Amino acid sequence: DIQMTQSPSSLSASVGDRVTITCRASQGIRNDLNWLQQKPGRAPKRLIYRASNLQSGVPSRFSGSGSGTGFTLTISGLQPEDFATYYCLQYNSYPWTFGQGTRVEMK
Amino acid sequence: QVQLVQSGAEVKKPGASVKVSCKASGYMFTEHYLYWVRQAPGQGLEWMGWINPKSGDTHTAQKFLGRVTMTRDTSISTAYMEVNRLTYDDTAVYYCTKGHFGCDYWGQGTLVTVSS
Repeated sequence: DIQMTQSPSSLSASVGDRVTITCRASQGIRNDLNWLQQKPGRAPKRLIYRASNLQSGVPSRFSGSGSGTGFTLTISGLQPEDFATYYCLQYNSYPWTFGQGTRVEMK
Repeated sequence: QVQLVQSGAEVKKPGASVKVSCKASGYMFTEHYLYWVRQAPGQGLEWMGWINPKSGDTHTAQKFLGRVTMTRDTSISTAYMEVNRLTYDDTAVYYCTKGHFGCDYWGQGTLVTVSS
């Protein structure tokens, strides 16, 4: 199974901050990666697909980059509604696997 | 618009079975795989497997082999996932999610509580 190592596990930030979350795959997954946002009591919502493509309707302050084994989610100018937990998901090979999650909290 | 609407919360005893449904609308049901993911309380996301609604073929994660069955009814655009021999560790929210470059749309989730 491909292991997805996500970091940090949590971070504190303020509105307007630039936030970066990383995911590292235990083997190459090309660009077969989603970034998901989850708020308490809600289903996950996809932000990014194919590592760097913005899901329709998602604000442009979210961006993704990377290929192979290293990936990054960046939020440029954190907004109040962005405080949530973020997960990466690799869909290169079965079983699909998720990162452990990054909780973004208000400083 | 694409919607996945899941069945309501369930409470089951250890050893029992539960069947969760996922009704799709807003797209051609047979054109996209449906995946199942679960999330235990306070924990991360765990991938369980998929069903191809067109053929009925399924793939179940090793951990759930022999205990999880995925089916579908194309006439009502609905997929089902049944978990047998429930234990307390199966207490979780179960999600269905539509496949397209990973998972694009998600159901609202179904809470399954295993309690004696």
